Amino acid sequence: ETGVTQSPTHLIKTRGQQVTLRCSSQSGHNTVSWYQQALGQGPQFIFQYYREEENGRGNFPPRFSGLQFPNYSSELNVNALELDDSALYLCASSYDMPGPYQETQYFGPGTRLLVL
Amino acid sequence: TQLLEQSPQFLSIQEGENLTVYCNSSSVFSSLQWYRQEPGEGPVLLVTVVTGGEVKKLKRLTFQFGDARKDSSLHITAAQPGDTGLYLCAGGATNKLIFGTGTLLAVQP
Repeated sequence: ETGVTQSPTHLIKTRGQQVTLRCSSQSGHNTVSWYQQALGQGPQFIFQYYREEENGRGNFPPRFSGLQFPNYSSELNVNALELDDSALYLCASSYDMPGPYQETQYFGPGTRLLVL
Repeated sequence: TQLLEQSPQFLSIQEGENLTVYCNSSSVFSSLQWYRQEPGEGPVLLVTVVTGGEVKKLKRLTFQFGDARKDSSLHITAAQPGDTGLYLCAGGATNKLIFGTGTLLAVQP
């Protein structure tokens, strides 16, 4: 176990709804990254938060937003859900902001989202 | 855009066989990581390589980083059913990991 927890484990929503996913980082970690993993593919970077500030964003539309709280837990919010948003959403925490040689990221088990 | 292509996409072998998974890119990465992911779980880091030409061994797994830091390989000797899973390479880029397309390995007893 990595010490990174995510909730809920599974979620079913309908198109157009909004969803909030939660992540609790490993103790002492101040950086959290969120990834989207479609079935059978590698994870795609959504964004990263470092000490409550967004610190990089992947190629995802603005309806994907996030927050990091003072205790370094984090939320991923997705508005106006689309069918293609169905995926496994992973969060990963690290001790510090990844530099050129990448602080090790520890992944949670993910939240499986199904949009109908 | 930095992309990592893995091959093969799927691999089904018998216990005891050897295999190699490849991870290729046209871009240079400062580091490259290999992960294994099992159903219902997040990826778990196996190794990080940072120097061109570097070779690391982890029991029956051998990882190599290409001289130009654009490609990597994972070789498994005498595969076991417990090696079954999705193998992912990931390149280190500013603030993020860029994951490869993944190789799904099934080792039959």
